Amino acid sequence: GNSVTQMEGPVTLSEEAFLTINCTYTATGYPSLFWYVQYPGEGLQLLLKATKADDKGSNKGFEATYRKETTSFHLEKGSVQVSDSAVYFCALMRNSGNTPLVFGKGTRLSVIA
Amino acid sequence: DVKVTQSSRYLVKRTGEKVFLECVQDMDHENMFWYRQDPGLGLRLIYFSYDVKMKEKGDIPEGYSVSREKKERFSLILESASTNQTSMYLCASSLARGSTEAFFGQGTRLTVV
Repeated sequence: GNSVTQMEGPVTLSEEAFLTINCTYTATGYPSLFWYVQYPGEGLQLLLKATKADDKGSNKGFEATYRKETTSFHLEKGSVQVSDSAVYFCALMRNSGNTPLVFGKGTRLSVIA
Repeated sequence: DVKVTQSSRYLVKRTGEKVFLECVQDMDHENMFWYRQDPGLGLRLIYFSYDVKMKEKGDIPEGYSVSREKKERFSLILESASTNQTSMYLCASSLARGSTEAFFGQGTRLTVV
């Protein structure tokens, strides 16, 4: 079946530190991959996505590259800010047919000044 | 501005009550989804719907049912609420085709006492 595994948190970083949140997936075929972010008290919103191998998604200084050979989609940011404190979810969607998103368990990030 | 609206942010219900969680989207999306979010478990799919009057079971449908009488509205029903259904419930919608973004509501935090 389809599944997503992401690193467990919580992750605590100082402002301007480098961020990596690991995400690997198992899927039949070639899925699309997503990172969603949930700020405190809010629903999820799309951060970035990639639809095929070697695609790089980027937004708000975050980026992730779809690596088919390692079945990974790690999230990175060069310099985090306090406002990046949130829960980050990696997700996949199969491209064949109409299928729901499958989520990882989420990684809580806290950035301290 | 696109919107998925959940009828309540917070609900407190008694064990055994029948509970209705309502979700409305204004984007003319075909697909709608209900997830529950629990610490350490991430988002788990309860039910989804690809069209009016259609429904599909997700990963954890037991104890829940859904209704989709109109395209814009997707209701989650707890037939007889139990304390293990205390959770955050998230509704989402998306277009039918392609690896498109899912839009989420702000969530309903349900407490069953």
